[in-house]
Amino acid sequence: ETGVTQSPTHLIKTRGQQVTLRCSSQSGHNTVSWYQQALGQGPQFIFQYYREEENGRGNFPPRFSGLQFPNYSSELNVNALELDDSALYLCASSSILAGYEQFFGPGTRLTVL
Amino acid sequence: ELKVEQNPLFLSMQEGKNYTIYCNYSTTSDRLYWYRQDPGKSLESLFVLLSNGAVKQEGRLMASLDTKARLSTLHITAAVHDLSATYFCAAGMDSNYQLIWGAGTKLIIKP
Repeated sequence: ETGVTQSPTHLIKTRGQQVTLRCSSQSGHNTVSWYQQALGQGPQFIFQYYREEENGRGNFPPRFSGLQFPNYSSELNVNALELDDSALYLCASSSILAGYEQFFGPGTRLTVL
Repeated sequence: ELKVEQNPLFLSMQEGKNYTIYCNYSTTSDRLYWYRQDPGKSLESLFVLLSNGAVKQEGRLMASLDTKARLSTLHITAAVHDLSATYFCAAGMDSNYQLIWGAGTKLIIKP
């Protein structure tokens, strides 16, 4: 059974640029959630995708957008990067069969200069 | 709106001692999770608590849930250095998969 994977591991961008982060969910999981974790803080929910549809969104502006593909992998896109977007971005996969437990990937560390 | 508060936020303790981390949440929640995070790493699931009175134990860690008090605890017994990490609790609802997280408790265990 393959766990949750994310790419890239690290990324450095400049303010105003756009970035795409990728996540492959654990085998058999049809739901992917994305979180932003600033240094020294708890994760903040960005949004969740279930069967290719957005299934809930946290308090993040529209420049944060996402996609889920038929194989349940997912992308997080952030446009017009700001310095405050520097954080660890985590994706988590889950399914009802997994009893709602969320399994996290290793994360992508984004630095915006 | 569901909010989650953890305390303490920082805990330094000696090996061999016992201590408890507290997690309060503001409204009804269907699920309570405990995660561990090592510096620069991702989140490792420790426990999922689904019902009032639920108690789960793994090694030196034991988690419990009191839904009436809206309180979960993570108890550490006879702490060892390897348990040093940041511990997060998170609450969720069955209506969606969104988790609301506490700020985390940074635990340092000194030899």
